[in-house]
Amino acid sequence: GNSVTQMEGPVTLSEEAFLTINCTYTATGYPSLFWYVQYPGEGLQLLLKATKADDKGSNKGFEATYRKETTSFHLEKGSVQVSDSAVYFCALLTGANSKLTFGKGITLSVRP
Amino acid sequence: EAGVTQSPTHLIKTRGQQVTLRCSPISGHTSVYWYQQALGLGLQFLLWYDEGEERNRGNFPPRFSGRQFPNYSSELNVNALELEDSALYLCASSLGAGTSGYTFGSGTRLTVV
Repeated sequence: GNSVTQMEGPVTLSEEAFLTINCTYTATGYPSLFWYVQYPGEGLQLLLKATKADDKGSNKGFEATYRKETTSFHLEKGSVQVSDSAVYFCALLTGANSKLTFGKGITLSVRP
Repeated sequence: EAGVTQSPTHLIKTRGQQVTLRCSPISGHTSVYWYQQALGLGLQFLLWYDEGEERNRGNFPPRFSGRQFPNYSSELNVNALELEDSALYLCASSLGAGTSGYTFGSGTRLTVV
């Protein structure tokens, strides 16, 4: 079946540090890949997505590249801000049953 | 454009009671999904409705059920509440198969005491 594995957290960084959050997946077929963000007390917001191999999704300074050869979709940001503190979820969607499968999520805390 | 709206935002129930949660999708979206986010368990898929039909169901007992109305809004019902049902229940909607991703509501925080 489909699964998403995210690196263990939590992650604490200083403002302006470089961020990488690892995500790998197992899926049948050719999934679409997503990063969602959940700010404290809120629901999930779509951060970025990629629908085929070598696609790069980007939004708000975050980016992730769909790597089919390594089955990965790592999230990166060059300079994090305090406002980026949130929980980040990697997810995949295959056409077979149209159900988003999420990783466990990772909490990011950014210190001023 | 209004986003996905859920009600109520919070509620407290006693073990053994029944609860109904409600969700209104984005206008034009025909698919509604329900997820449970319990502490330490991540996001667990509950149910998917599309065009009024249940399309897929997660690994939850039958006391979790729901329906979708002709206007595409949805209800999630949980009978015989247990303490471990305490969680944030998230509803999402999508256009068609959702290949562009889902739009989530802010959730309903259920506490069972």
